[in-house]
Amino acid sequence: AAGVIQSPRHLIKEKRETATLKCYPIPRHDTVYWYQQGPGQDPQFLISFYEKMQSDKGSIPDRFSAQQFSDYHSELNMSSLELGDSALYFCASSFESAPRKTQYFGPGTRLLVL
Amino acid sequence: AQKITQTQPGMFVQEKEAVTLDCTYDTSDPSYGLFWYKQPSSGEMIFLIYQGSYDQQNATEGRYSLNFQKARKSANLVISASQLGDSAMYFCAMREGPLAGGGADGLTFGKGTHLIIQP
Repeated sequence: AAGVIQSPRHLIKEKRETATLKCYPIPRHDTVYWYQQGPGQDPQFLISFYEKMQSDKGSIPDRFSAQQFSDYHSELNMSSLELGDSALYFCASSFESAPRKTQYFGPGTRLLVL
Repeated sequence: AQKITQTQPGMFVQEKEAVTLDCTYDTSDPSYGLFWYKQPSSGEMIFLIYQGSYDQQNATEGRYSLNFQKARKSANLVISASQLGDSAMYFCAMREGPLAGGGADGLTFGKGTHLIIQP
């Protein structure tokens, strides 16, 4: 079965640079979530989108922004990168009308800020 | 206060034994869902099992089952006949609020339990 696709899988950036992470949800899924997982930490919810509209907001820094496009893929834009932004970034998708709305995670993008 | 508490940072279990991973949660919302995810050393997050707050029966998925005690606010994961491939981090997570049609609410995760299966 098709899974969530994230690109790139690995990314190395310098401090103060920008980065864009992409997420392609499971076909027919209309909802996308972004999570940040620091080394040895649990995932922290950043932001979610349903039908191209922002739905819920977690601990997303002001330097980050995200959007969902008409084909349901989503992009997380990160500016003025800091060392502390080094983490594994997950995208998850779900189908809003499903009774459980189980979130299925992509493989993650590992970001290293030097 | 922590919304999801996993009190076992690490566990060692012999292969083929059953293992119980603890999870307690804190919410005042009558509608919520509880999820367990497995994260192997490769990093991906794999969905294992779900329990809804209104579900009357404990959830089961193959070798995974959930011991859901609503009054005690606990949702422990039970893995039967453990295998070497079960070695991983296990996260308990919760989504609060209405289920169907309630919006795209993010999950709150516990700190996880690192499970190591020994041959």
